[in-house]
Amino acid sequence: ETGVTQTPRHLVMGMTNKKSLKCEQHLGHNAMYWYKQSAKKPLELMFVYSLEERVENNSVPSRFSPECPNSSHLFLHLHTLQPEDSALYLCASSQGNLWGEQFFGPGTRLTVL
Amino acid sequence: QQQVKQSPQSLIVQKGGIPIINCAYENTAFDYFPWYQQFPGKGPALLIAIRPDVSEKKEGRFTISFNKSAKQFSLHIMDSQPGDSATYFCAASRGNRDDKIIFGKGTRLHILP
Repeated sequence: ETGVTQTPRHLVMGMTNKKSLKCEQHLGHNAMYWYKQSAKKPLELMFVYSLEERVENNSVPSRFSPECPNSSHLFLHLHTLQPEDSALYLCASSQGNLWGEQFFGPGTRLTVL
Repeated sequence: QQQVKQSPQSLIVQKGGIPIINCAYENTAFDYFPWYQQFPGKGPALLIAIRPDVSEKKEGRFTISFNKSAKQFSLHIMDSQPGDSATYFCAASRGNRDDKIIFGKGTRLHILP
């Protein structure tokens, strides 16, 4: 596979469930990002990892927990989510200059019941 | 200061027309202005980008016009096609490790056949 892949593509979960989103990049990039995309809102940056070290946490609630075991993989662990957390969660990666051109995955459409 | 204001929210244009999407920013330190294109079910992808040392950049049918004094930039799509129907996001950043990229809210463009 090439580019940035995300699994699952769709996820429905209850508020008491625990689930994880997975992102993998095959581009040799050294930075990875989690974004939340809600209708009629700008893309909201959640987390940034550069060289596997977290460099930014944009005041995200603790019910979202990121993990970056290596430069190719990024996870977002979810627990006790709220219905307002329903959104498209996008993973992205970039190379070289942090915040340079970002390559996005297709996203995971999350619905919290 | 950190916002990027994008308009219109949605746009319908006849095939062959020239849709124009506008963005405005406040932070004069921004020096990198990309446009991303997002098709349904896909993540955003970089379309074209400009730096403030030029007033216009063309790539194929896509043109960015940049007005540094007005702190505005816009995307023009020449000879628009139904396949251009997508959501377009403008963004801005300092291209600096300490500043993140800021996205506009997006414009949903529909090109009528």
